[in-house]
Amino acid sequence: NAGVTQTPKFRVLKTGQSMTLLCAQDMNHEYMYWYRQDPGMGLRLIHYSVGEGTTAKGEVPDGYNVSRLKKQNFLLGLESAAPSQTSVYFCASSYSRAQRSNTGELFFGEGSRLTVL
Amino acid sequence: GQQVMQIPQYQHVQEGEDFTTYCNSSTTLSNIQWYKQRPGGHPVFLIQLVKSGEVKKQKRLTFQFGEAKKNSSLHITATQTTDVGTYFCASWDAGGTSYGKLTFGQGTILTVHP
Repeated sequence: NAGVTQTPKFRVLKTGQSMTLLCAQDMNHEYMYWYRQDPGMGLRLIHYSVGEGTTAKGEVPDGYNVSRLKKQNFLLGLESAAPSQTSVYFCASSYSRAQRSNTGELFFGEGSRLTVL
Repeated sequence: GQQVMQIPQYQHVQEGEDFTTYCNSSTTLSNIQWYKQRPGGHPVFLIQLVKSGEVKKQKRLTFQFGEAKKNSSLHITATQTTDVGTYFCASWDAGGTSYGKLTFGQGTILTVHP
């Protein structure tokens, strides 16, 4: 039982390059999330998904795309990276309101540190 | 969507002193969660409160949810160096178009001096 796994853990990109961050969870969670964390800004929601095949925009979705083709995976894509996307990215997952226990807990991955030069 | 404002942004204490962080909203919250993130780590769930006026304790940590469900606090008694980290509050949107969305406050960074 690995929980939430993010790959890669570190990546350096040049402006304009593209990349995909992969998040995988093995807890049968319905909900999955991508957050970015910047100093003084807390955790800001980029996109989220409430089930396989569905995605929704969070607070800061511009410049990112996501896909949830399989329940256990949530991919975050950067089509044309910009220096402003330098950040630490966290994936998280949780049970749905119908599925979960009453804690509503989000389980986080270890984070992916992205630098865009 | 719901927005939660968290204060203070930073708090420096001497070991043994108490610490409190506050989370406030202009709208009624359906629930409030608290997370702790150690330096270099990822956020870890501490607790969820859902009832008006609810108070829960975990050893030296006391969590409160306001009567009007618009504010919450986390209080640590007699801080230890192991309490160092960032503490976040978070709240689930009640529903509608934001169903399933969890929004975080900006976090309070706690430093404990031995």
